Amino acid sequence: QKEVEQDPGPLSVPEGAIVSLNCTYSNSAFQYFMWYRQYSRKGPELLMYTYSSGNKEDGRFTAQVDKSSKYISLFIRDSQPSDSATYLCAMTWNFNKFYFGSGTKLNVKP
Amino acid sequence: NAGVTQTPKFRILKIGQSMTLQCTQDMNHNYMYWYRQDPGMGLKLIYYSVGAGITDKGEVPNGYNVSRSTTEDFPLRLELAAPSQTSVYFCASTDRVDGNQPQHFGDGTRLSIL
Repeated sequence: QKEVEQDPGPLSVPEGAIVSLNCTYSNSAFQYFMWYRQYSRKGPELLMYTYSSGNKEDGRFTAQVDKSSKYISLFIRDSQPSDSATYLCAMTWNFNKFYFGSGTKLNVKP
Repeated sequence: NAGVTQTPKFRILKIGQSMTLQCTQDMNHNYMYWYRQDPGMGLKLIYYSVGAGITDKGEVPNGYNVSRSTTEDFPLRLELAAPSQTSVYFCASTDRVDGNQPQHFGDGTRLSIL
């Protein structure tokens, strides 16, 4: 069983739509949860970072962590064509080892 | 503000050749990491280091070696290149203190083994 599962997509939505991206995980020891955005031929860049359970909002982005269900989500409101990228979830319990999902490719159509 | 710098950006190797992928960070971060990313896949941890002189294996260390003689540099060595090592390699660093930026990534080295 993989440590982190993520639907690879691709996910195609019209501009202005609400996007929901999700990951599940198997290791209850994970404490830190991250979402990265990766444009083609570039390194991942951090979007959201959450410690333990709860919600965190930053502009059009909202991250949710449900540790009881081992499930994390990223919501993008008013999606823009510039949001078209691959989104990776990642998690760790001690910053020594990070575990990444396989990434979901998002395409926002104008 | 350079952040994490990886060199080279692209490289083609023949089977059995060796090479070193360079990674340098100028943020005085203690933690550094090497990942590989295969097409359509997430990042797999190869090796990590929690400080100069300290390294440890990640998920996929076979065929690779690392060293960490300084805080700034964390080179990754391929001794006998194999086609299975064709991938994009990313280096990352963190100070583990800044909770809003767990890892800074370089832009990757694209390596093909033919």
